[in-house]
Amino acid sequence: KNEVEQSPQNLTAQEGEFITINCSYSVGISALHWLQQHPGGGIVSLFMLSSGKKKHGRLIATINIQEKHSSLHITASHPRDSAVYICAVRSLTTGTASKLTFGTGTRLQVTL
Amino acid sequence: EAGVAQSPRYKIIEKRQSVAFWCNPISGHATLYWYQQILGQGPKLLIQFQNNGVVDDSQLPKDRFSAERLKGVDSTLKIQPAKLEDSAVYLCASSLHPNTEAFFGQGTRLTVV
Repeated sequence: KNEVEQSPQNLTAQEGEFITINCSYSVGISALHWLQQHPGGGIVSLFMLSSGKKKHGRLIATINIQEKHSSLHITASHPRDSAVYICAVRSLTTGTASKLTFGTGTRLQVTL
Repeated sequence: EAGVAQSPRYKIIEKRQSVAFWCNPISGHATLYWYQQILGQGPKLLIQFQNNGVVDDSQLPKDRFSAERLKGVDSTLKIQPAKLEDSAVYLCASSLHPNTEAFFGQGTRLTVV
């Protein structure tokens, strides 16, 4: 079982729809990241959170530490939101060896 | 503020050839990461540097992969000799400190034929 599981793997939505992508993890973490990857390959960091909820424009990220679960929501989705969304967790370790473990991503396609 | 720069963006080589990738992190970022992302998978950490020292290279295939960050700024990742299964996107990322937000470059897409 992977340490970080995302669902769904693929998602198609119509423009304007409310979208939710889920992430579950099995290890103790110090932080969770939501990342966006476009077809060119580059990755953009959307959120880094360790508790509660963060909002940026049409994007909202929530995390429940007790349940080891996070969700990324996109309101009023638009075709330009089409990308792969990746959840990554930073494990709870001391010193400089703390590393990010990535999920396999959710491929989102928003159509007109 | 300039982001993480990587070059080349794309590279196609034959198996058994050698290849090198270059990364220039964000100025002042002490921590630098190299990731390998195979198609359809999440990135996998190959090596993590703290300044010019290696913190974690446990998943680096050391028989063919090497990386250095001699002056604690730029870094190069080399594969010698390349295998077909090395085809992937190689991502460089940097962060101010090990547990702070990481910023990613555009990646280098390697195809080994």
